[in-house]
Formats: sequence, structure tokens, C-alpha cells
Amino acid sequence: AQTVTQSQPEMSVQEAETVTLSCTYDTSENNYYLFWYKQPPSRQMILVIRQEAYKQQNATENRFSVNFQKAAKSFSLKISDSQLGDTAMYFCAAGTWYSGGGADGLTFGKGTHLIIQP
Amino acid sequence: DSGVTQTPKHLITATGQRVTLRCSPRSGDLSVYWYQQSLDQGLQFLIQYYNGEERAKGNILERFSAQQFPDLHSELNLSSLELGDSALYFCASRRGSYPSYGYTFGSGTRLTVV
Repeated sequence: AQTVTQSQPEMSVQEAETVTLSCTYDTSENNYYLFWYKQPPSRQMILVIRQEAYKQQNATENRFSVNFQKAAKSFSLKISDSQLGDTAMYFCAAGTWYSGGGADGLTFGKGTHLIIQP
Repeated sequence: DSGVTQTPKHLITATGQRVTLRCSPRSGDLSVYWYQQSLDQGLQFLIQYYNGEERAKGNILERFSAQQFPDLHSELNLSSLELGDSALYFCASRRGSYPSYGYTFGSGTRLTVV
């Protein structure tokens, strides 16, 4: 079983600022992976970034990067040069995969509502 | 368009009724996952199908069932509906067996039980 905790229900920053969203997780599995998903007002779930737990290098996708601290079970998301379009709910998620190729459904945190102010 | 198609987009029904939600995964994706998003419970994994077979179960109620057909589309059946079943139901599909492939979500079906 996995748990994912996002301790910041809401955050607000000015446009162009850098913001970090926190996420901690707990799992008894060795093979797992972590995701950040964005849910704008349209309610569509959009993949932001993903990280395999066995990789030490932090994932980066353009303005989005993660700080993955495996020992601390922490997986924070940093958004640089924030834009108005980044306003959304952000969900941290964890999933287990199996060497045979299967993968369980994701366990999501409660989400952080990020507001980018003009 | 994510490539995952869910129908209908909105559904309003009465308590005690039964509804069917449909999902067509992205072309080539064999795995289909169903999730429920509600204010009370957040986003919860319900059930997974892979190439027609049930692979994993999450917090799915006994009143709910699902199946995946030979053409890989999936249906989620919700019966004896209660007010608390009102939620956004997502379908997601996954490409390949390697875990770094993220799940691609459909736009969801908004179910309102009155």
C-alpha cells in the first residue's frame, strides 16, 4: 500500500516567480515511480513530469523540475518563471510496477491549488 | 485531445438507478484504469484491465463493476446509485509495459446523482 501526502492545500505566487510544491510519500515497494499531474479548470488531467525511483537524477521538463529525495521519501515540484496558464490543481502520485511489465493504479495526494497572480 | 475518449461527458440520474460509462483508450494502449474523483475522497483508483483481463482492484464498491472488450474499450457499470456516488470518473490508458510511460487520462464523465 502507498500513501501520498501534499501538505499545501493552496499556494499563490506572482507571475514569473518560482514556486515549489511539496509531496511526501510512503511505500513498502522497491519498484515504484512518481508523477506530478496538473488539473486546470477544464478538469483534464495532464502529465507534468515523471520520475523512476531507481534513477538518482532529478527529472526536468522545460520550466518544471523535481527534487527527488528517496531516503526522505520526498518528491517536490519546482515551477520556474511561472505563467498564468500554470494556475491549476497539482497532484502528486505514486505507482508500483512489476518486472513482468504490469503496473498498479496510481495513488494520488489531495492536491495543491496553485494560483498564479498577474 | 489526449486520445482517450470518454462518453458521456455529463450524466444526471436518480438514486437507485444504474449507469454505464464508456472509455476508449489511446490507439495501441492495452491497459485501462478507472479513477473516481470526489470532493470527499479525492482521486481514487478503482480498477484496472489489461487486454481484456482484470489486473488490479482499488477502492471499488461491490455495486460497481467494469469490463474490457476485445476492441479494448472499457465500460464501468455503476448500480444502485447513491448521492455519494456523484463524482468525476476518469479513464486512463497506459502505453507499453515500462513504467516511465505515464498514464494518459480522458476528459472524464461527470456523474450527478439526484
